[in-house]
Amino acid sequence: EPEVTQTPSHQVTQMGQEVILRCVPISNHLYFYWYRQILGQKVEFLVSFYNNEISEKSEIFDDQFSVERPDGSNFTLKIRSTKLEDSAMYFCASSPTTTYGYTFGSGTRLTVV
Amino acid sequence: KQEVTQIPAALSVPEGENLVLNCSFTDSAIYNLQWFRQDPGKGLTSLLLIQSSQREQTSGRLNASLDKSSGRSTLYIAASQPGDSATYLCAVLDGPLQGAQKLVFGQGTRLTINP
Repeated sequence: EPEVTQTPSHQVTQMGQEVILRCVPISNHLYFYWYRQILGQKVEFLVSFYNNEISEKSEIFDDQFSVERPDGSNFTLKIRSTKLEDSAMYFCASSPTTTYGYTFGSGTRLTVV
Repeated sequence: KQEVTQIPAALSVPEGENLVLNCSFTDSAIYNLQWFRQDPGKGLTSLLLIQSSQREQTSGRLNASLDKSSGRSTLYIAASQPGDSATYLCAVLDGPLQGAQKLVFGQGTRLTINP
């Protein structure tokens, strides 16, 4: 069964450093998403991406965040200057259409120290 | 603003029991509802997807129902097994008709099946 692949599985970074989280969505999917889950809290939406541009972003997705699809297979989330409160599990997801079911990756656990 | 609530927050039952997990949402104008399983520290595994026009979906020992008008969904697990122990998340897909939709998640039900 097709999978969404995320790397790395765990990243530790110092406060103020830039991090890039990587995702390979399912190949024939057109819509891509990032969600995050702070420990003990709900999974929350960050951003959706379609046709090489952001479709929607949440209030969490401020100027320190950016997304990119640098080639035909990768989808990245960049956090420019990490803060302690950015520590969370970050999930990438993809779907073939806007209203079809999502497939999530296994997540990247980001720890900011 | 869509809010999704799951009850109970935690449930512990002996192996072999049938059980029901509940999910409610405040805005009935959803496109679909998805149930996920999350093991500790792991990703989200999709279990069942119910489109807004459907009433239920079944996969093996799992059955999910959807009542849009009352804003409720249930996940029924038959003959529970220790391997079913995990957190179960309910998520609804909503958003403007002309625009990007997004999943809104509940806080999950942490299920423990005791051998």
